[in-house]
Amino acid sequence: EVQLVESGGGWVQPGGSLRLSCAASGFTFSSYEMNWVRQTPGKGLEWLSYISGSGNTIYYADSVKGRFTISRDNAKKSLYLQMNSLRAEDTAVYYCAREEMATTYGYWGQGTLVTVSS
Amino acid sequence: DIVMTQSPDSLAVSLGERATIDCKSSQTVLFISNNKNYLAWYQQKPGQPPKLLISWASTRESGVPDRFSGSGSGTDFTLTITSLQADDVAVYYCQQYYTTPRTFGQGTKVEIK
Repeated sequence: EVQLVESGGGWVQPGGSLRLSCAASGFTFSSYEMNWVRQTPGKGLEWLSYISGSGNTIYYADSVKGRFTISRDNAKKSLYLQMNSLRAEDTAVYYCAREEMATTYGYWGQGTLVTVSS
Repeated sequence: DIVMTQSPDSLAVSLGERATIDCKSSQTVLFISNNKNYLAWYQQKPGQPPKLLISWASTRESGVPDRFSGSGSGTDFTLTITSLQADDVAVYYCQQYYTTPRTFGQGTKVEIK
């Protein structure tokens, strides 16, 4: 059974940093592209970042480019999102999602809540 | 970026009746070389992550009830739920995967009347 479990969310002050993790199981992690997607009541679902199976290809949304860094450790079957210079508008539930052969997001984690507030 | 716009924002339908949700993209998501529409529909129930229902505009994922159907091409798409069940109460999102950034519609909340 495919499972994705996020962790690392919490409360942080504006300007602070957090590192999210996504532990994968039930599939050959290195064979799949992975993404981070966040959800806010105001902006709905927003794609943030993509990483190829090898980690060699990475994309970011303009809203997080230069502040967030996606990475993966295939040996540990884990996906990461390093978030720096956090802003109030980064408050959201953050999901990791498995991409199905460059198309849809077939599997999602349960999400981890990030709250940026003073 | 491709902007996805859904309508309505919410709708209330009686049990057993039809629910129809529209999704319009700001540019085509039809890839001419393979004649495929790069459009997906997701269902999100309260407290849960989105679940993929339909890909390629009209292909149901395994295990999705056949009361869910997708149609449309180019820039205009529709998700239809025939004979609405209580379990279908959720927010539904369309998403294009034609290009990066992948973008989602704002969501349509389906409730029971």
